[in-house]
Amino acid sequence: DQQVKQNSPSLSVQEGRISILNCDYTNSMFDYFLWYKKYPAEGPTFLISISSIKDKNEDGRFTVFLNKSAKHLSLHIVPSQPGDSAVYFCAASAGNTDKLIFGTGTRLQVFP
Amino acid sequence: EPEVTQTPSHQVTQMGQEVILRCVPISNHLYFYWYRQILGQKVEFLVSFYNNEISEKSEIFDDQFSVERPDGSNFTLKIRSTKLEDSAMYFCASSEGTGLAFNEKLFFGSGTQLSVL
Repeated sequence: DQQVKQNSPSLSVQEGRISILNCDYTNSMFDYFLWYKKYPAEGPTFLISISSIKDKNEDGRFTVFLNKSAKHLSLHIVPSQPGDSAVYFCAASAGNTDKLIFGTGTRLQVFP
Repeated sequence: EPEVTQTPSHQVTQMGQEVILRCVPISNHLYFYWYRQILGQKVEFLVSFYNNEISEKSEIFDDQFSVERPDGSNFTLKIRSTKLEDSAMYFCASSEGTGLAFNEKLFFGSGTQLSVL
């Protein structure tokens, strides 16, 4: 039951260029979406979120876009930096449930 | 910066044994969670806990699992009789509140890697 899908297990981007990480979901009840970043031997760390009433949210170098009709969201990182190299998880929640549904993650590598 | 602390970082156990994973949530947080990640798979919700009782649990969280807040600072996950398929990284998390406004402020610990042999 993969309600949240990240179809690209890995992505390699040159420093300074844009990184685009994609996420698809199937549950139309999801109304809040989040991106978490995870370094090895650490827990996931919140990065950015978006409510379903918006189609874009920006925070510094990070922008999340939501296309509700396509049930698709993406995370843009520009410019990418070597310190951005990590695993990025897309997550979603519905209503006031406590539960976050995570994707399988995309490993981003930013090389000089 | 306040953080969620988990101990031990690695736990190896024999199948059928009981294990207790320990967590110290951030001190002013009221909501507590356990998630797990089997190697190569997604992070999965197990249980949420508020006001000394379970508020939500997943189908994974069966009778073999239990959670407890034995004192004012610790939050534990007990697996009564471990199975091979329980091998995973277990993450504890906490937040000040719950619902949409607080999901973004979900703080995770660095995890306990449980290996069941």
